[in-house]
Amino acid sequence: NAGVMQNPRHLVRRRGQEARLRCSPMKGHSHVYWYRQLPEEGLKFMVYLQKENIIDESGMPKERFSAEFPKEGPSILRIQQVVRGDSAAYFCASSSENQPQHFGDGTRLSIL
Amino acid sequence: DAKTTQPPSMDCAEGRAANLPCNHSTISGNEYVYWYRQIHSQGPQYIIHGLKNNETNEMASLIITEDRKSSTLILPHATLRDTAVYYCIVRVSSNTGKLIFGQGTTLQVKP
Repeated sequence: NAGVMQNPRHLVRRRGQEARLRCSPMKGHSHVYWYRQLPEEGLKFMVYLQKENIIDESGMPKERFSAEFPKEGPSILRIQQVVRGDSAAYFCASSSENQPQHFGDGTRLSIL
Repeated sequence: DAKTTQPPSMDCAEGRAANLPCNHSTISGNEYVYWYRQIHSQGPQYIIHGLKNNETNEMASLIITEDRKSSTLILPHATLRDTAVYYCIVRVSSNTGKLIFGQGTTLQVKP
């Protein structure tokens, strides 16, 4: 039973480019969460989605960041016009109803 | 969700039990205690959770005090691979919703 799959594991972008991070939840999970971990800091919640709906985006920066979880396919976290401060590890987690969240191994985003 | 307090760091000898404390004095009646850990450069790993009864699984045991104001995560026979940051998180219900991570306890298992 495959766990939460994130790709790519490492992503390098130049300032001003777009970054797309993908997350395939565990089989049977319809809830997806994105978290960000800046260097030497703890994990911070960004957004919670449930199949085609954004449930909670209270941790998402207001500009340049967006997330989706389409009916078919993985969840996508999109960062437009990246800046140096976006360099971080981005973790995705998934869960089913009444079950704990399980995390992927993250995407390390580096901005040149 | 209630705030938690954990010691910033702890050491444990390999093969001995590791007992990680967590204070959550403002916990509400419908809030669960969750434990996760993050081994360096990996994603957080779910360990165990409970409401008021003690819980045990293949990874650890969770002991919650009767007044529910504190809990202890027990790794019965710590190995070097258990070196990680351990997070105690309190949240409403076992249902969906964001996890709020604090600073956690860095457990160093020593040979």
